[in-house]
Amino acid sequence: RKEVEQDPGPFNVPEGATVAFNCTYSNSASQSFFWYRQDCRKEPKLLMSVYSSGNEDGRFTAQLNRASQYISLLIRDSKLSDSATYLCVVNSAGQGGKLIFGQGTELSVKP
Amino acid sequence: EPEVTQTPSHQVTQMGQEVILRCVPISNHLYFYWYRQILGQKVEFLVSFYNNEISEKSEIFDDQFSVERPDGSNFTLKIRSTKLEDSAMYFCASRRNNQPQHFGDGTRLSIL
Repeated sequence: RKEVEQDPGPFNVPEGATVAFNCTYSNSASQSFFWYRQDCRKEPKLLMSVYSSGNEDGRFTAQLNRASQYISLLIRDSKLSDSATYLCVVNSAGQGGKLIFGQGTELSVKP
Repeated sequence: EPEVTQTPSHQVTQMGQEVILRCVPISNHLYFYWYRQILGQKVEFLVSFYNNEISEKSEIFDDQFSVERPDGSNFTLKIRSTKLEDSAMYFCASRRNNQPQHFGDGTRLSIL
């Protein structure tokens, strides 16, 4: 089983649509969870941390289910500028704090 | 907003040559990382560094790789004898205690 697994994508949606990304992780001892965004051939940029109680930042809502080892990201009212690859990222349980990345889900928002 | 900076943005090197990739982490950060991303693949962890020593490294980080923090601001990744398969984007990241990692904009390494 992959350490972090995401929907394969790509997702092609019209502007204004709601889109949901799913992610599962294999290590139950993982401590921290994030969604990063990556534009083509650029660096990953932190979109939001994911907390057990769920958290929202504007149009973005993240959920974590530790029992199911499942993370989600919901984007409401999608914009053209949301087009990017969305990376599910888990902080390993090890001392060094390394990040383990999913392979990413590409989102393309069309006019 | 402070940034992690990396130089050069693109490095082209002959196979077998040594290459040094440079990073300046955010100034009050204490934890430093190198990752790589081969074209079309996911981001992979290479090494983490804290308190002037390696805290963790991956299987990719073999004897050909080394890291240094020579002067308190720079954080370098050296590849001693490059191979074709070392061609990738290399990202440096840093963080404060209990905070998310922030990434530099990467160095594209092309091995010929």
